[in-house]
Amino acid sequence: DSGVTQTPKHLITATGQRVTLRCSPRSGDLSVYWYQQSLDQGLQFLIQYYNGEERAKGNILERFSAQQFPDLHSELNLSSLELGDSALYFCASSPGTSAQETQYFGPGTRLLVL
Amino acid sequence: GEDVEQSLFLSVREGDSSVINCTYTDSSSTYLYWYKQEPGAGLQLLTYIFSNMDMKQDQRLTVLLNKKDKHLSLRIADTQTGDSAIYFCAESLWSNSGYALNFGKGTSLLVTP
Repeated sequence: DSGVTQTPKHLITATGQRVTLRCSPRSGDLSVYWYQQSLDQGLQFLIQYYNGEERAKGNILERFSAQQFPDLHSELNLSSLELGDSALYFCASSPGTSAQETQYFGPGTRLLVL
Repeated sequence: GEDVEQSLFLSVREGDSSVINCTYTDSSSTYLYWYKQEPGAGLQLLTYIFSNMDMKQDQRLTVLLNKKDKHLSLRIADTQTGDSAIYFCAESLWSNSGYALNFGKGTSLLVTP
């Protein structure tokens, strides 16, 4: 158990809908990262938040957004969902923002868009 | 961005050594990681190596780093059936104003009795 929790574990929805994925980082970690794992693209970095502020941005679509709250939990919002958004979404956390900090991953949320 | 390259599949017999290879993209990557993903599970950090090291050993795991060729390998000694999983190589890359992990597509390791 990494100490990172994600809810829900599974999510099934329809195209055009909007969903929110939730992540609670390890105790004491200020950074939260979101990754998408799909069969064709593999594991891709989406976005990072540090202590409530957006820190780094990867291949995140404009239909997707995230935020980190004062209690440090984070939410990833996916809107106007398409079939291709079906994937496993991982959250990871680390204490800060340095390169040497290990990222610990949550169990993921499996999203299926029908 | 550029791709971290890994072979997709490796099959070994129980008790043999497994070697999983990876070619990463950025010679300035300071940390390189190996993660393990079991079916239906999240990513588990196995080990990492700092770029000024050539080798790191951790129990049955040995990581070798060749910076000149941007080549990273993970050797698992005395491979067990419980080692069957997908293994991801990742490099720590500077992205905008922070570090993010750039992953390979993973190597599926199958250990047969």
